[in-house]
Amino acid sequence: EAGVAQSPRYKIIEKRQSVAFWCNPISGHATLYWYQQILGQGPKLLIQFQNNGVVDDSQLPKDRFSAERLKGVDSTLKIQPAKLEDSAVYLCASSLPLGRLNTEAFFGQGTRLTVV
Amino acid sequence: AQKVTQAQTEISVVEKEDVTLDCVYETRDTTYYLFWYKQPPSGELVFLIRRNSFDEQNEISGRYSWNFQKSTSSFNFTITASQVVDSAVYFCALSMTGFQKLVFGTGTRLLVSP
Repeated sequence: EAGVAQSPRYKIIEKRQSVAFWCNPISGHATLYWYQQILGQGPKLLIQFQNNGVVDDSQLPKDRFSAERLKGVDSTLKIQPAKLEDSAVYLCASSLPLGRLNTEAFFGQGTRLTVV
Repeated sequence: AQKVTQAQTEISVVEKEDVTLDCVYETRDTTYYLFWYKQPPSGELVFLIRRNSFDEQNEISGRYSWNFQKSTSSFNFTITASQVVDSAVYFCALSMTGFQKLVFGTGTRLLVSP
């Protein structure tokens, strides 16, 4: 079974530029998550989708971050404009739908973003 | 509010030693789930175990074992006879029933030397 796919693996941009990350979840996983992991910290949830609807985006900095999952499958996370403090690894994860037993989330390898 | 504390930032052991990683959690919910994930240098988080709040039985899986104690709000992880391949960052996490949002601790880096 294929895992969660993310691209690119690495990205370096200058501050105030924009950047986009892509995620393709495990087939059949209706729930998709974007986490931000700053160096030395645990991942923090940015946004959670159930199919193409947003379940939780309470920690998403909406003035600069946006995410979409238009067809309920793959997803894109965008930052515009980027700040130095956005340097982090952005992890995508997927799981079976809410309402099932609280199953585990499967994570991709992440995109490491460096803002200079 | 939910919170997970992993007080050990980094642990170094020699191969074949046993090592315990501590996890203390805070939640007001009576129903919740606890997790352990491993993050090797490649970056992805690898699921190790899930435990719900109603099941305090300890669990053993090969060299791994977990001790869940609600009385002390702890969910500790022990690796027996550690190996170099166990070197990674280990995260403890918490989620509410019905919501799969994970609240992570800051992680413990385990270094196992030959």
